Amino acid sequence: KAGVTQTPRYLIKTRGQQVTLSCSPISGHRSVSWYQQTPGQGLQFLFEYFSETQRNKGNFPGRFSGRQFSNSRSEMNVSTLELGDSALYLCASSLGSTFNEQFFGPGTRLTVL
Amino acid sequence: TQLLEQSPQFLSIQEGENLTVYCNSSSVFSSLQWYRQEPGEGPVLLVTVVTGGEVKKLKRLTFQFGDARKDSSLHITAAQPGDTGLYLCAGGDGNKLVFGAGTILRVKS
Repeated sequence: KAGVTQTPRYLIKTRGQQVTLSCSPISGHRSVSWYQQTPGQGLQFLFEYFSETQRNKGNFPGRFSGRQFSNSRSEMNVSTLELGDSALYLCASSLGSTFNEQFFGPGTRLTVL
Repeated sequence: TQLLEQSPQFLSIQEGENLTVYCNSSSVFSSLQWYRQEPGEGPVLLVTVVTGGEVKKLKRLTFQFGDARKDSSLHITAAQPGDTGLYLCAGGDGNKLVFGAGTILRVKS
């Protein structure tokens, strides 16, 4: 069974630009969650999508948004990039069951210059 | 806001030693998961515990969930260099995970 895939793996952008990251979950998984990982803040929850609907949202500004398609693939978008947005962005998929066993992709390393 | 505190933050030991990593919270979690992450990669799920008092073993790794479902521990017996990595605990909070800051483990040969 293929794991969670994320594209691209690495990305370099400049301040003010916008970026779109993509995530393909494990086949059969309907929930996709996004996390931001930085050395200072650790892993922080961004949002979760289930059946094309945002089901949960973390404490990030509105510049961070996402969506999920009918095949469960998900994208997240960050607009007006800031230097502090440099991070490893991780996507995790799960069946969407109550105790939420999540499986992570390799991440997208975003560097904002 | 639910928080998970992990200790210690860093651990550097010799091959063959035993170690324990702790994960504590003042909140109750519906489940608790342990992950291991290597540089440049995503976290890999090691185990999920859901029942208070539950103990799970995975080869040389033993995971325990506290009776009150507020804390957990990971014990590694006879650590090997291949155990080196970042160990993260994560508590289930509805449909999202709350992560501890992680424990960086280095096992020297």
